[in-house]
Amino acid sequence: GAGVSQSPSNKVTEKGKDVELRCDPISGHTALYWYRQSLGQGLEFLIYFQGNSAPDKSGLPSDRFSAERTGGSVSTLTIQRTQQEDSAVYLCASSPQGNLRNQPQHFGDGTRLSIL
Amino acid sequence: GEDVEQSLFLSVREGDSSVINCTYTDSSSTYLYWYKQEPGAGLQLLTYIFSNMDMKQDQRLTVLLNKKDKHLSLRIADTQTGDSAIYFCAESSGSSNTGKLIFGQGTTLQVKP
Repeated sequence: GAGVSQSPSNKVTEKGKDVELRCDPISGHTALYWYRQSLGQGLEFLIYFQGNSAPDKSGLPSDRFSAERTGGSVSTLTIQRTQQEDSAVYLCASSPQGNLRNQPQHFGDGTRLSIL
Repeated sequence: GEDVEQSLFLSVREGDSSVINCTYTDSSSTYLYWYKQEPGAGLQLLTYIFSNMDMKQDQRLTVLLNKKDKHLSLRIADTQTGDSAIYFCAESSGSSNTGKLIFGQGTTLQVKP
């Protein structure tokens, strides 16, 4: 597709379950970012990928959060043993090259995660 | 640390100009961005400005940058009801070379017919 694609668009799960969120970036974009948008915290950076490696994981809030990227394309964000405070919209963005700041990030529509 | 601040709400009449303001703290920021978010959607890039520029105009949008005061504004001319959304100011973090964005809290723009 032409834009960043995220799935699922909505996810409702019970506390304690694991969830996987998927991001398919714009074709050819080597940089991929995950952000979280929540009512109390606004928009927060989680992790940055350049190709398949993640040189900046500084925004991951706990060791229950992990992410990987394979083939320099699709990325999955995994949250283990979900807690209610994990409820948020998880946004993915991509850009042609992350370390050049004049290349804007393009965002997907996000996954709305609700933990019961 | 880096911080970006915005006013939370702005209400205007259709046809008026809207001005959304933003301040930031990172003096090494080189690019500043404006994104628009409609309900249930992701962030749509509106425009961005490099820090050696004072102004950038793109159709109905005008961005003004006062680097000395670390103040950024977005002016929307002839505001329409379709402009109602949340507008986010963001800076590209100057302390890292990853391009990660630091966002303001977002300004909700309400356009009354």
